Amino acid sequence: AQTVTQSQPEMSVQEAETVTLSCTYDTSESDYYLFWYKQPPSRQMILVIRQEAYKQQNATENRFSVNFQKAAKSFSLKISDSQLGDAAMYFCASVSGGYQKVTFGTGTKLQVIP
Amino acid sequence: SQTIHQWPATLVQPVGSPLSLECTVEGTSNPNLYWYRQAAGRGLQLLFYSVGIGQISSEVPQNLSASRPQDRQFILSSKKLLLSDSGFYLCAWSESTRQETQYFGPGTRLLVL
Repeated sequence: AQTVTQSQPEMSVQEAETVTLSCTYDTSESDYYLFWYKQPPSRQMILVIRQEAYKQQNATENRFSVNFQKAAKSFSLKISDSQLGDAAMYFCASVSGGYQKVTFGTGTKLQVIP
Repeated sequence: SQTIHQWPATLVQPVGSPLSLECTVEGTSNPNLYWYRQAAGRGLQLLFYSVGIGQISSEVPQNLSASRPQDRQFILSSKKLLLSDSGFYLCAWSESTRQETQYFGPGTRLLVL
């Protein structure tokens, strides 16, 4: 069974600053994927970034990047130059095996302070 | 490009009434389809998934059911709603050849009174 743990229920960051959201996971599979999803007040889940476990290079998407530490089973999200629109709930997630069952963490609420 | 639609956006129903939520995907063929529920302030719970027409897998036994009458249509139903069915329902899809990444619809807010 997979587990995903987000230990920070809430975080805040000043506009234009950088913030890192933490996530740890546990899986017995060797082939798996990790994701960060953003859920703004509209509550639609938006894919932010994706990491294949077999790739050592950390994924990046514009201002969003991850620090993937496979041995430590850690997958943190770094948001650079934070913007007001980044305020949302952020969910870490993992999937493995048949890929139909995504396991989500409990989320981190990010507040961006003007 | 692919788009996913859900309706209605919001629904208020009395206890014991039936339910039908619809999800459709455009711009892709033979997608995997998923129904999730999110209680207030909580994470996502997978309810059902489907890898093809008429093929439904249930993750959580409850009074809800799902059907897939067409390739890109996924329906969540109930014959009699319970108070505990209130929540936010999200439909998602993934490519059949790249199943690991799921994309979500805008969701339906359901309030059972």
